[in-house]
Amino acid sequence: GGIITQTPKFLIGQEGQKLTLKCQQNFNHDTMYWYRQDSGKGLRLIYYSITENDLQKGDLSEGYDASREKKSSFSLTVTSAQKNEMAVFLCASSIETDYAEQFFGPGTRLTVL
Amino acid sequence: GDSVTQTEGLVTLTEGLPVMLNCTYQTIYSNPFLFWYVQHLNESPRLLLKSFTDNKRTEHQGFHATLHKSSSSFHLQKSSAQLSDSALYYCALSDPGTGSNRLTFGKGTKFSLIP
Repeated sequence: GGIITQTPKFLIGQEGQKLTLKCQQNFNHDTMYWYRQDSGKGLRLIYYSITENDLQKGDLSEGYDASREKKSSFSLTVTSAQKNEMAVFLCASSIETDYAEQFFGPGTRLTVL
Repeated sequence: GDSVTQTEGLVTLTEGLPVMLNCTYQTIYSNPFLFWYVQHLNESPRLLLKSFTDNKRTEHQGFHATLHKSSSSFHLQKSSAQLSDSALYYCALSDPGTGSNRLTFGKGTKFSLIP
């Protein structure tokens, strides 16, 4: 088995601030993902990476940057936090094959004041 | 692009009754992979079941679903719902051959059981 850790668990920022979320996995999975979860809107893919130093945009990449520094870690940056924004950001990982299960981390809850 | 449509909002049911959560999809690919993920309160989503075979029933933990390509559907069913089934359920789709296992999720259906 393995585990995905996300830091921080809670993140409070100010409007316009640049904020970074981190994700680590010890599954030795090739592919990692960042999703945004909003009530009533489901899980929307922000960025994913199929290997170290690879980045692929998802459906919601505008306003975000990502970095895959090494196989086990994947960071997401909110480039300019929007006032009254509230969402949960979920990191996930999987092996690099079709039909593979994605394993999710516990999430980072973002609040922008 | 791909899209997934689920029963929207909250589904409330009395314990012990059968349940069906609807899922339909749109994709240009003829052999999509379909998934159901479940997220209990204060937990992360986890895989419940998956399928890519047309008209074959897939079962796990008392739930079952059958992929019907003719109607682009993958409805989730259980014959007798339990209190512990209260959760948020997501239907998701991926396309083979893209090499990324990228999923498109529906908006989710919140399922609540009444004792």
